[in-house]
Amino acid sequence: RKEVEQDPGPFNVPEGATVAFNCTYSNSASQSFFWYRQDCRKEPKLLMSVYSSGNEDGRFTAQLNRASQYISLLIRDSKLSDSATYLCVVTPRGGYQKVTFGIGTKLQVIP
Amino acid sequence: NAGVMQNPRHLVRRRGQEARLRCSPMKGHSHVYWYRQLPEEGLKFMVYLQKENIIDESGMPKERFSAEFPKEGPSILRIQQVVRGDSAAYFCASSPWGSSGANVLTFGAGSRLTVL
Repeated sequence: RKEVEQDPGPFNVPEGATVAFNCTYSNSASQSFFWYRQDCRKEPKLLMSVYSSGNEDGRFTAQLNRASQYISLLIRDSKLSDSATYLCVVTPRGGYQKVTFGIGTKLQVIP
Repeated sequence: NAGVMQNPRHLVRRRGQEARLRCSPMKGHSHVYWYRQLPEEGLKFMVYLQKENIIDESGMPKERFSAEFPKEGPSILRIQQVVRGDSAAYFCASSPWGSSGANVLTFGAGSRLTVL
């Protein structure tokens, strides 16, 4: 089983729609979780951290489910500018922290 | 406050030549990661370094690839005797040490290697 798994998509959604992505991880000792965004041929950029209590940043909401070992990203009121690949990232607890990226989920917001 | 600087941004090599990619981490960051991304694929971890130390090179191909992060100067990813399959974007990222943000990575713009 891969350390981090994501549905590569693409997810094609109309403007204004709500879309959600999940990401599952295999290491129950994973401690830190993040969502990054990568635009075509550009470098990944941190979108948001994922906390145990969940967190929200404008139209974006991230959730963590430790029991089922997945994190989610919800985007409300999708904009054309949200079109990108969204990368799930997990790191283990303590010590050396290997940062593992999922393959990414491609989102295309359609006018 | 410059971010992570990578150069060259684009590099063209013929088969059999050597490629050297450089990465200067953000000021105050002492951890460097290298990732490779093939077209239409995800980021693949290659190597994780601290100053003068290779911490994890489990993602590096066994031959032709090497990395270093000297006490002074940038981190360097070196690919000897390049082949067409080495054509990819190589991203460097850095992170700080000893803080809660230790595993938040800041990426450089990448170096795109094309092997003819």
